Amino acid sequence: QKEVEQNSGPLSVPEGAIASLNCTYSDRGSQSFFWYRQYSGKSPELIMSIYSNGDKEDGRFTAQLNKASQYVSLLIRDSQPSDSATYLCAVRGTYKYIFGTGTRLKVLA
Amino acid sequence: GAGVSQSPRYKVAKRGQDVALRCDPISGHVSLFWYQQALGQGPEFLTYFQNEAQLDKSGLPSDRFFAERPEGSVSTLKIQRTQQEDSAVYLCASSVTTGSGELFFGEGSRLTVL
Repeated sequence: QKEVEQNSGPLSVPEGAIASLNCTYSDRGSQSFFWYRQYSGKSPELIMSIYSNGDKEDGRFTAQLNKASQYVSLLIRDSQPSDSATYLCAVRGTYKYIFGTGTRLKVLA
Repeated sequence: GAGVSQSPRYKVAKRGQDVALRCDPISGHVSLFWYQQALGQGPEFLTYFQNEAQLDKSGLPSDRFFAERPEGSVSTLKIQRTQQEDSAVYLCASSVTTGSGELFFGEGSRLTVL
């Protein structure tokens, strides 16, 4: 079992729809959770961070964390073609950031 | 510098050659990480430095891989006797302190071993 698991996709959504990306992790001691966006050929860039159970909203993005279920999600509202990218879930314990394989999102115009 | 800088951006090596990849983190960042990213995969942890101390090298695939950060700033990842399976993008990332939030990534060094 991988430490951080994501569906590799591709996840295809029409423009304007809500994209829902999911991630599960195995280490119950994990303290911090991150979503990174990675365009093809580019390096990852931080979209959202979340540290406590519940929802955290930033513009069109909402991160959700459920530590009991070891589950993190990212919702993208009003999806745009420019959101087409790979979304990486990352989980941090004491210091190490462990990444999932990423979910490829395609927003269809 | 304004961001994490990596060089070279692209490196082609013949099998068996040694390569050195450089990372210049954001000034003042204590933590520095090296990751390996194969095509279609997420970044895989290689090693972690806190200042000049290499606190975790558990992700280095073999003893052909070596990393250093002698003065607590610039870091070098060295791969000896490169093999085809070493072909990947090598990402360097830094953060302000140990256990702090955001990792800032460099643009990566793409290594192709022929």
